[in-house]
Amino acid sequence: QSALTQPPSASGSPGQSVTISCTGTSSDVGGYNYVSWYQQHPGKAPKLMISEVSKRPSGVPDRFSGSKSGNTASLTVSGLQAEDEADYYCSSYAGSFWVFGGGTKLTVL
Amino acid sequence: QITLKESGPTLVKPTQTLTLTCTFSGFSLRTSGVGVGWTRQPPGKALEWLALIYSNDDKHYSPSLKSRLTITKDTSKNQVVLTMTNMDPVDTATYYCAHTDNDYPGGFDYWGQGTLVTVSS
Repeated sequence: QSALTQPPSASGSPGQSVTISCTGTSSDVGGYNYVSWYQQHPGKAPKLMISEVSKRPSGVPDRFSGSKSGNTASLTVSGLQAEDEADYYCSSYAGSFWVFGGGTKLTVL
Repeated sequence: QITLKESGPTLVKPTQTLTLTCTFSGFSLRTSGVGVGWTRQPPGKALEWLALIYSNDDKHYSPSLKSRLTITKDTSKNQVVLTMTNMDPVDTATYYCAHTDNDYPGGFDYWGQGTLVTVSS
């Protein structure tokens, strides 16, 4: 199976909004509403930020939002803060297994 | 409070079999819809989904690694075990176990700290 496609990097200034894309196929992202997004700081375990395309777990700021159109899912971070600087990974159900994206390094300028 | 912790060897030789144990607390694998999965991350690289087992013993594997992986659970010990055969240096990675349930289908909401496994002769 192929990893989902994410841009290697993204950036924005404090207070701005940034959107990270995650492109798959009709066999994964496009076929199911089971897309998750994770935030990972260096040396730490990933943290679930979004589940089921747009569902935010308790404790996750509402600055983080998710959406999907066709085979592409997106994570938007609004009102960027310094602590949002991290790696972000998408994940999707693919029929009988799950697959991650290649990750996006978000830099807060 | 849900916690998970991975344990196992830090160094394995090529061709050997790796056995990792995830010991958890704060939930039960007897509860419907609950699952424990494994993900790995080579140094400086992306996450890779490996396997997932649910309370009903439903098991899912990464297609590319399915022939090498086995996931099992011991409900009485609150443990999930992952075995990976024929280890190779490219399998050097931090291995994480994580919890999922019906609140976040397929999404891992609690993670262990990870354990670094190095494959080298």
